[in-house]
Amino acid sequence: DTGVSQNPRHKITKRGQNVTFRCDPISEHNRLYWYRQTLGQGPEFLTYFQNEAQLEKSRLLSDRFSAERPKGSFSTLEIQRTEQGDSAMYLCASSVFRGGPKETQYFGPGTRLLVL
Amino acid sequence: SQQGEEDPQALSIQEGENATMNCSYKTSINNLQWYRQNSGRGLVHLILIRSNEREKHSGRLRVTLDTSKKSSSLLITASRAADTASYFCATDAGYGKLTFGQGTILTVHP
Repeated sequence: DTGVSQNPRHKITKRGQNVTFRCDPISEHNRLYWYRQTLGQGPEFLTYFQNEAQLEKSRLLSDRFSAERPKGSFSTLEIQRTEQGDSAMYLCASSVFRGGPKETQYFGPGTRLLVL
Repeated sequence: SQQGEEDPQALSIQEGENATMNCSYKTSINNLQWYRQNSGRGLVHLILIRSNEREKHSGRLRVTLDTSKKSSSLLITASRAADTASYFCATDAGYGKLTFGQGTILTVHP
């Protein structure tokens, strides 16, 4: 029984470079979420998918950010032309959504991005 | 943006003592959840309480919810050094996405 996995765990890049992160959710989880967490703060919602459909994007997600979930399985989050302000922990979570008030999200270990 | 505030921002106690953390939020919710995060790691789900519930227990954890005051509390009884972590409350307004507080840093001294 594997949990949510994220790769890479750490990424150091230079300003202006593109980076891509991958999230593998728990098998058969139909929802997948991306959050961003900066030091000393709680996670902030970025976007989420139900199966392969991207249902919502936060205003935090500028045009430089794009996320996909082809075939409703793994997801990728790409940041183009990285800026120092993009430095953060990027967290992925998955869940089984059947409607109702009891959806529990399971988080991966995160990808820590440092933009120099 | 953050949903609300957690209080205290930091809490330092001795092993065996109880730890209480409070969370306030701003909008109506479907449920409220508490998560733990060890330094630099992902979040671990602790407990979920639905908007029509007032209290819930899980092992050494007790969560209360007061929707009229838009507040919740997490009590950890008989704390252990291994409980040292950051604790976050998160609200679900019914759309699935979670809105987190800023967290309480708990330090339990052996």
